[in-house]
Amino acid sequence: EAGVVQSPRYKIIEKKQPVAFWCNPISGHNTLYWYLQNLGQGPELLIRYENEEAVDDSQLPKDRFSAERLKGVDSTLKIQPAELGDSAVYLCASSLGTEVSYEQYFGPGTRLTVT
Amino acid sequence: RKEVEQDPGPFNVPEGATVAFNCTYSNSASQSFFWYRQDCRKEPKLLMSVYSSGNEDGRFTAQLNRASQYISLLIRDSKLSDSATYLCVVNPQWGYNKLIFGAGTRLAVHP
Repeated sequence: EAGVVQSPRYKIIEKKQPVAFWCNPISGHNTLYWYLQNLGQGPELLIRYENEEAVDDSQLPKDRFSAERLKGVDSTLKIQPAELGDSAVYLCASSLGTEVSYEQYFGPGTRLTVT
Repeated sequence: RKEVEQDPGPFNVPEGATVAFNCTYSNSASQSFFWYRQDCRKEPKLLMSVYSSGNEDGRFTAQLNRASQYISLLIRDSKLSDSATYLCVVNPQWGYNKLIFGAGTRLAVHP
């Protein structure tokens, strides 16, 4: 079974430019998460989707970050404009459902460098 | 104060050693607890859940002390392949799958 797929794996952009990350969750997984991981830190939740609905976006900096999950499958996370402090790894995860008993499976992440 | 705190390490141990990691959490209402493993430049993967009675999976033993808000992971007979960062993870909210990660403890096992 294929795991969580993310692209691109690496992205280097100049500050003030836009950037987008794409995630394809494991087939059948209704819940999708976007996390941010800074160097030397654990992942921090940005947004959680139940199907196509964003049910927890309290940690998403909405002035520059946006996300969507059209049709409740793939998801895109966008930053516009990017700042130097956005350099980090952006991880996508998915789970069968929202119950804590369902394991979250992580994708390989997109490593963003803002110069 | 961070919600989940861990000793960052690194822990440098020889093969065959026993090593223990500790973690504390601040929310006394936290419901579920996990250890994740993250290899260098890879994604986190679930190592094991932590149950109130303590649980063991091969060389790995996890313990939970709710009164002290403390979680531990013991690795016996360390292997070179155990070298990774171990993330303590807490679900602070009953009913849905919200994970709060610690910053991780790095383990390096040497020959």
